[in-house]
Amino acid sequence: GENVEQHPSTLSVQEGDSAVIKCTYSDSASNYFPWYKQELGKGPQLIIDIRSNVGEKKDQRIAVTLNKTAKHFSLHITETQPEDSAVYFCAAMHGSSNTGKLIFGQGTTLQVKP
Amino acid sequence: GAGVSQSPRYKVAKRGQDVALRCDPISGHVSLFWYQQALGQGPEFLTYFQNEAQLDKSGLPSDRFFAERPEGSVSTLKIQRTQQEDSAVYLCASSPRGTSGGASITGELFFGEGSRLTVL
Repeated sequence: GENVEQHPSTLSVQEGDSAVIKCTYSDSASNYFPWYKQELGKGPQLIIDIRSNVGEKKDQRIAVTLNKTAKHFSLHITETQPEDSAVYFCAAMHGSSNTGKLIFGQGTTLQVKP
Repeated sequence: GAGVSQSPRYKVAKRGQDVALRCDPISGHVSLFWYQQALGQGPEFLTYFQNEAQLDKSGLPSDRFFAERPEGSVSTLKIQRTQQEDSAVYLCASSPRGTSGGASITGELFFGEGSRLTVL
């Protein structure tokens, strides 16, 4: 079945530095790639998403890049702040799904040190 | 409320007991999903409803798991004869979009805070 691999599992950066999280997916028919942020005791919250017809998307300090050939996509957070500390999940929409089923990565725990 | 509401937030069950978890989606949202999140892992898809129709239940791990959404709004996930491996957070998500002509749903899923189930 489809698989999404996410790296690193933990990431610690100094406030103001950049953070990069990478994901690879196995289903070449996947066409939608959201990123979710999950704080302790909360449900995941969408922070940015990208569709397969776009190579890059940016929203203020957050950007996502997609390489369809390599089946690889990445989240970039610039000028990190302590409130960015959370668990981040990448996901890919199952290519043959007509119901919006998402396959999630294992998560990256980001710690931003003040 | 404005968001997806789940209850109970915490449930402790003895092995073999039945449990029922409730989800109140955002009013008017057509699509409703259930996901299972084990400790330290990403959410895993369980089932999907469009209005009252259960269009995908491919992620339900066994026939002990049953979900319904009889009136197209509130949904209940029921687990019969709970086992220790059922311990997880059960997340409900809703979306204003539904499938159309077989096209998949993209766009934001609004997640609830989850129901944490612990089976002793």
